[in-house]
Amino acid sequence: KAGVTQTPRYLIKTRGQQVTLSCSPISGHRSVSWYQQTPGQGLQFLFEYFSETQRNKGNFPGRFSGRQFSNSRSEMNVSTLELGDSALYLCASSLDSGPAFTQYFGPGTRLTVL
Amino acid sequence: GQQVMQIPQYQHVQEGEDFTTYCNSSTTLSNIQWYKQRPGGHPVFLIQLVKSGEVKKQKRLTFQFGEAKKNSSLHITATQTTDVGTYFCADAGGSQGNLIFGKGTKLSVKP
Repeated sequence: KAGVTQTPRYLIKTRGQQVTLSCSPISGHRSVSWYQQTPGQGLQFLFEYFSETQRNKGNFPGRFSGRQFSNSRSEMNVSTLELGDSALYLCASSLDSGPAFTQYFGPGTRLTVL
Repeated sequence: GQQVMQIPQYQHVQEGEDFTTYCNSSTTLSNIQWYKQRPGGHPVFLIQLVKSGEVKKQKRLTFQFGEAKKNSSLHITATQTTDVGTYFCADAGGSQGNLIFGKGTKLSVKP
């Protein structure tokens, strides 16, 4: 089976812009979670989508949003970018909803905000 | 909020030496998952521990879950250069239905 894919792999934006990242889960996986990884804060949970519904949400401002399509593909959007949003954004897919299910991570999107 | 503390933050070893990373929590852990992230890569699932006192082995890797379910450890016997990377533990008991990751232990192996 193909793994989790994320596009684009690298992105450079300026403050105030918005960005959309895409994630295609492993075939048959219905849950997609998004994480932000920075050297200082480590891996932090953004949100989880399952069956096109947001199931869980982490402690991030409303500028961070996401959605899931009927084919389980997911997108996350960050509006009004800030310098502190520079990070590696990882999506992870799993068979079902909930953290007890093994998370399969994609390669990530490296976002740089200038 | 819930926190998972991982120590040490960095570990430098000579190839062939053993390595251990520890994961601790002040609250009872739900279940513990371990991941490895190679430099420039993404986290890859290694194992999940669910039961109190559970011990699992994968070749040179030994994973343990504490009796009180408040700590876990990963031990690598006779490290190899292929073991280089950051090892994360994660608790599946996040209040937001999420995994809570430790900050990781970055392992470097000198050949």
